[in-house]
Amino acid sequence: QSVLTQPPSVSGAPGQRITISCTGSSSNIGANYDVHWYQQFPGTAPKLLIYNINNRPSGVPDRFSGSKSGTSASLAITGLQAEDEADYHCQSYDSSLSGVVFGGGTRLTVL
Amino acid sequence: QLQLQESGSGLVKPSETLSLTCTVSGGSISSSSHYWGWIRQPPGKGLEWIGYIFYTGGTQYNASLKTRVTISVDTSKNQFSLKLASVTAADTAVYYCTRRRVTGSASWDYWGQGSLVTVFS
Repeated sequence: QSVLTQPPSVSGAPGQRITISCTGSSSNIGANYDVHWYQQFPGTAPKLLIYNINNRPSGVPDRFSGSKSGTSASLAITGLQAEDEADYHCQSYDSSLSGVVFGGGTRLTVL
Repeated sequence: QLQLQESGSGLVKPSETLSLTCTVSGGSISSSSHYWGWIRQPPGKGLEWIGYIFYTGGTQYNASLKTRVTISVDTSKNQFSLKLASVTAADTAVYYCTRRRVTGSASWDYWGQGSLVTVFS
């Protein structure tokens, strides 16, 4: 059971906008710790997609964006493309556990 | 370009110690700006943080693994290592070595390709 909760799967058609939620608590996201997102294709290592809630590393398209409200964060992808089909993981810090915590991951399917 | 590469035994027997090494190239592990960490992913499951180390040897570990984990660094070889004692089938996972900044962002910006470790009797 992951400390951060993500939906197991989401789907969308090409061109659509989807969001992936990451729900935490008052000891992690709600305590104003930053949230980061990773994209992972099958058989490969995760890649940093969004850092510090809504910052994109160089090379990440601006179709990807992040946000945070209260004890939850979200990853949004606009103009969905077939190449976006992957697993997405959120990450934060938890003060009760004194450590890094992840969500269980969300599989995005492009219909 | 920074690269991280895991190496070590891919098969470990129950109750024995898992050992992995991460070799860093294209940059110095003796950076005062970075931590070096280990993250694992059981087959079909999410990511789990194991711990990280600073080049001077200071460490932070996941509380749930702390009694079994040791992370060490060898600056002369530009490597850091993971030892996980008393393994069980639940420790079967792909193990990634990673890097994060000390300040500015707690995100993991560089990852190794991963090393599958199977606990198998």
